[in-house]
Amino acid sequence: DARVTQTPRDKVTEMGQEVTMRCQPILGHNTVFWYRQTMMQGLELLAYFRNRAPLDDSGMPKDRFSAEMPDATLATLKIQPSEPRDSAVYFCASGLSGGTQYFGPGTRLTVL
Amino acid sequence: GIQVEQSPPDLILQEGANSTLRCNFSDSVNNLQWFHQNPWGQLINLFYIPSGTKQNGRLSATTVATERYSLLYISSSQTTDSGVYFCAVGKAGGTSYGKLTFGQGTILTVHP
Repeated sequence: DARVTQTPRDKVTEMGQEVTMRCQPILGHNTVFWYRQTMMQGLELLAYFRNRAPLDDSGMPKDRFSAEMPDATLATLKIQPSEPRDSAVYFCASGLSGGTQYFGPGTRLTVL
Repeated sequence: GIQVEQSPPDLILQEGANSTLRCNFSDSVNNLQWFHQNPWGQLINLFYIPSGTKQNGRLSATTVATERYSLLYISSSQTTDSGVYFCAVGKAGGTSYGKLTFGQGTILTVHP
C-alpha cells in the first residue's frame, strides 16, 4: 500500500534553532507539495515541485524557509532560524501532474 | 487568487442522517478535490472531481463547473464520518497546474 511518509512526526524545538522536515513521496509521482496547517490560516501551500524542479514557492517566507528535492525519493523543508509563529502542522503531498494529491501524516512542529 | 468558500462551517448530525456540503469557487477550474481530515489529523482524498458526478459507497460528489460549485453528499452518516471536510481547487496553465487552493472546511460531528 503506497503512501507518503514524513519524518519526524513531532518536533519540539527552541526559537532560533534549525528545523528540517523530510518527506518521501509515493514512488512514480512527479509532483510534491509542502503545506502548512494552522487554526488561523487553514491549509496553505508553501512550495511545489514538478519533476524535482521548484515551480512555486511564493507561499513560503524566503528569508527563513527553504525547500529542496535532492532526489526523486526525498523532499526537504528547512526553517532557519525557527520562530514561535512557525508552530503548525506541516504536510507533504505527492501526485501526478494535475491529479489526485496524496497526503502524508504531517509533522507537528512546536517552537518554544 | 481563486477564492473557495465552503458551507456550512459546522454541521452536527445524528447517526443515520444524510447531509450535503457545498463548495463555491470564484473562477474556472480544471482540478477539484474533496478531502476528509479525521480526528487524528490525517488528510484522506475522497474524490477527484473537476466535473460530473462520482460515487463511492455512502459518499457521492457532484461538480457543476460552469456554475462554479461542487456538492459532497454523505448518506446514512456514521460516527467515523466525523472530522473536517475540505474542498480544494486548481486552475490550469503554467506553474499553476496541479496547485490547489483549499477552502476553510466544514466541521462535521456525528453523534451516536
